Amino acid sequence: AQSVTQLDSQVPVFEEAPVELRCNYSSSVSVYLFWYVQYPNQGLQLLLKYLSGSTLVKGINGFEAEFNKSQTSFHLRKPSVHISDTAEYFCAVSDPAGYSTLTFGKGTMLLVSP
Amino acid sequence: GAGVSQTPSNKVTEKGKYVELRCDPISGHTALYWYRQSLGQGPEFLIYFQGTGAADDSGLPNDRFFAVRPEGSVSTLKIQRTERGDSAVYLCASSLGLGSPLHFGNGTRLTVT
Repeated sequence: AQSVTQLDSQVPVFEEAPVELRCNYSSSVSVYLFWYVQYPNQGLQLLLKYLSGSTLVKGINGFEAEFNKSQTSFHLRKPSVHISDTAEYFCAVSDPAGYSTLTFGKGTMLLVSP
Repeated sequence: GAGVSQTPSNKVTEKGKYVELRCDPISGHTALYWYRQSLGQGPEFLIYFQGTGAADDSGLPNDRFFAVRPEGSVSTLKIQRTERGDSAVYLCASSLGLGSPLHFGNGTRLTVT
């Protein structure tokens, strides 16, 4: 069984400041890792994914994440946030057999203020 | 091109009633998924279709929940004898198949009173 832990339910930050959203996972097998963003009243949008290869992956909107196998983490970072980045962010994991059963964390609400 | 479309966007029903939620996937996407997102939680997997057949329905909570995809395109999630605990946002996603990223719809917010 797989599980995802997002320790921070809410992260307040000022505009243009850097941000890190934490994600840890648990799995007995190798995994694929994802970050999704959900803007108010919208569906989930894929930010970035790690399947294999380089542990540093870059996504849309200036976000990046680093896979750390020894710490079973996949933290999301952005060097300078904008007001428009205010949204809920979900970390997810699946097994390499496919994307069929994504297991999501509870989400982290990023609140960017001026 | 159109994304994944879910109707209705909001549904309010009384406890004990039957509801149907519809999902129109992206054209050409053979895989279709249903997830449920309760307040303050991440989405939880319900069922996955590959073509017309349910390849994995292990996430359906009980036999009151059923989903179909008779022609391999549109899917309907059916909930019988609704309970207040069924209140949630029901998300549909589609993809080109295993190994391809999921594209999510905006969801149907179901409220059972």
